[in-house]
Amino acid sequence: NAGVMQNPRHLVRRRGQEARLRCSPMKGHSHVYWYRQLPEEGLKFMVYLQKENIIDESGMPKERFSAEFPKEGPSILRIQQVVRGDSAAYFCASSPPIGFRYTFGSGTRLTVV
Amino acid sequence: GQQLNQSPQSMFIQEGEDVSMNCTSSSIFNTWLWYKQDPGEGPVLLIALYKAGELTSNGRLTAQFGITRKDSFLNISASIPSDVGIYFCAGQLSSGTYKYIFGTGTRLKVLA
Repeated sequence: NAGVMQNPRHLVRRRGQEARLRCSPMKGHSHVYWYRQLPEEGLKFMVYLQKENIIDESGMPKERFSAEFPKEGPSILRIQQVVRGDSAAYFCASSPPIGFRYTFGSGTRLTVV
Repeated sequence: GQQLNQSPQSMFIQEGEDVSMNCTSSSIFNTWLWYKQDPGEGPVLLIALYKAGELTSNGRLTAQFGITRKDSFLNISASIPSDVGIYFCAGQLSSGTYKYIFGTGTRLKVLA
């Protein structure tokens, strides 16, 4: 009964490279959420996805960031041309089709050098 | 946007002491949740509150949903070293909303 699986746990990228963060939801969960946590801060909502649909991306930066949740496979958060300010912990959560009780993954810690 | 003010920001306590922390907002929330985050891990749900005035316990933890619906409190009794971590409050603005608003966290350190 695996929980929400995120990989990689740690990711180091040079400025200008692309970062791809993966999230596999809990079994039976069809809703996925991405949150970002800057050092010493709380989590901030980025995007909410269901299979093949972006429901709410109001928390996503307008440029360089994109997310998808394909019919098959994990959800992907993609950051193009990373900058130092993108360094943060990115958490994925999933919930069942009814109700919005989240289960969080362990996060991906992105460091941009 | 909406913001949750959490206090204290950090605290050092002796093992066995009780701990209190709170979360306030200028907005009305329909649901309050309390999470704990261990270093290098994701938040884990401790307690969920759904009604104004509700008081709920989970072992040594007790949380209350304020009657104004703008605040919540978490108490930890008889703290132990494994209580160390960051405690976050989170709120949902209206019933069924999928988006959580998180506080900035209370960093708890327990001295043995």
